[in-house]
Amino acid sequence: DSGVTQTPKHLITATGQRVTLRCSPRSGDLSVYWYQQSLDQGLQFLIQYYNGEERAKGNILERFSAQQFPDLHSELNLSSLELGDSALYFCASSVEGAATEAFFGQGTRLTVV
Amino acid sequence: GESVGLHLPTLSVQEGDNSIINCAYSNSASDYFIWYKQESGKGPQFIIDIRSNMDKRQGQRVTVLLNKTVKHLSLQIAATQPGDSAVYFCAENIGGDDMRFGAGTRLTVKP
Repeated sequence: DSGVTQTPKHLITATGQRVTLRCSPRSGDLSVYWYQQSLDQGLQFLIQYYNGEERAKGNILERFSAQQFPDLHSELNLSSLELGDSALYFCASSVEGAATEAFFGQGTRLTVV
Repeated sequence: GESVGLHLPTLSVQEGDNSIINCAYSNSASDYFIWYKQESGKGPQFIIDIRSNMDKRQGQRVTVLLNKTVKHLSLQIAATQPGDSAVYFCAENIGGDDMRFGAGTRLTVKP
């Protein structure tokens, strides 16, 4: 158990809908990262937050957004969902802002039908 | 658990044999590399890392080799066990906090 908690584990929704994925980082970790893992592809970095502020942005679509709350948990919002958004979404956290030292949660499997 | 990488390259080994998993990285400026293990239904788990000023690093039952000349990284697992069955992928740090992840290789250990 990495200490990073993601909910829900599975989510099935229809095209055009909006969903929110939640991540609770390890205790003491200030930085949260969101990644997308599509079938047969490597992890794609989406966005990073550090102590409530956006720190880095990767290949995140405009339909997607995230935030980190004062208690350091983070939410990833995915809207106007398309079939191609079906993927595993991982959250990782680290004490400081180093992705190389991050621990991953178990992921949320999103299926868009 | 959920399956990751149904169409990834696969490596099948007999329990007790050694496994070698390969990774080609993209950026000659990458200075830090990590190998991850991802079991079905779980998130990636750090296994071992290596910096670009080294060509070999050993852990418990695992060894990472780095060949900067051909931009190649390998993970060797000694005496492979059924619990080693998973998808393994490498990641390169190309500078700052920018990590690039490979798609991975599925290792299956036959008892």
